[in-house]
Amino acid sequence: GQNIDQPTEMTATEGAIVQINCTYQTSGFNGLFWYQQHAGEAPTFLSYNVLDGLEEKGRFSSFLSRSKGYSYLLLKELQMKDSASYLCAAVTMGAGKSTFGDGTTLTVKP
Amino acid sequence: DSGVTQTPKHLITATGQRVTLRCSPRSGDLSVYWYQQSLDQGLQFLIQYYNGEERAKGNILERFSAQQFPDLHSELNLSSLELGDSALYFCASSPLAGAGGDTQYFGPGTRLTVL
Repeated sequence: GQNIDQPTEMTATEGAIVQINCTYQTSGFNGLFWYQQHAGEAPTFLSYNVLDGLEEKGRFSSFLSRSKGYSYLLLKELQMKDSASYLCAAVTMGAGKSTFGDGTTLTVKP
Repeated sequence: DSGVTQTPKHLITATGQRVTLRCSPRSGDLSVYWYQQSLDQGLQFLIQYYNGEERAKGNILERFSAQQFPDLHSELNLSSLELGDSALYFCASSPLAGAGGDTQYFGPGTRLTVL
């Protein structure tokens, strides 16, 4: 079966760095997505990792370790607008089926 | 704006009824995905269509069905509605069949309320 785990909630301070972890157990794993979702809105794409290592995109970076079934999303120089839910999703090889975690609600405080 | 459109934005109906949700993918995208997001369950993959054919199936109930038309728009039909079907229904589209880094672009969602 498919299983995705991420913390339910996190709190951080404006200007700080936060790391949101995601562990997964999936068969036929192909890659891992991170999405940002503000309350009541659609998820928006942040990153996709298929190879091990760190991918950096501005203030956001995402890391993957396939052997450990582990990924994290790193957010730097936090801004108030980064308060949102962050969803990790494991993609099954050869198909579009994505299994989403329940999301981590990040609250950024002044 | 992702380029994916969904109608209607809100839908209120009664138990036992049937509704149809509509999705138009981004121009050129061949895959359409349907997701259900309820407060207590997170984002659940329902079904994927690629170029008119069913490609992948998730936790879709037998009371629910979907199709993708030749112009690539898709409809999700929900019948014999129950209170528990109240949720946000998202449609997403991607350029290809969904393998690899085929990014999914989400529409704004349809909020279904079953009374």
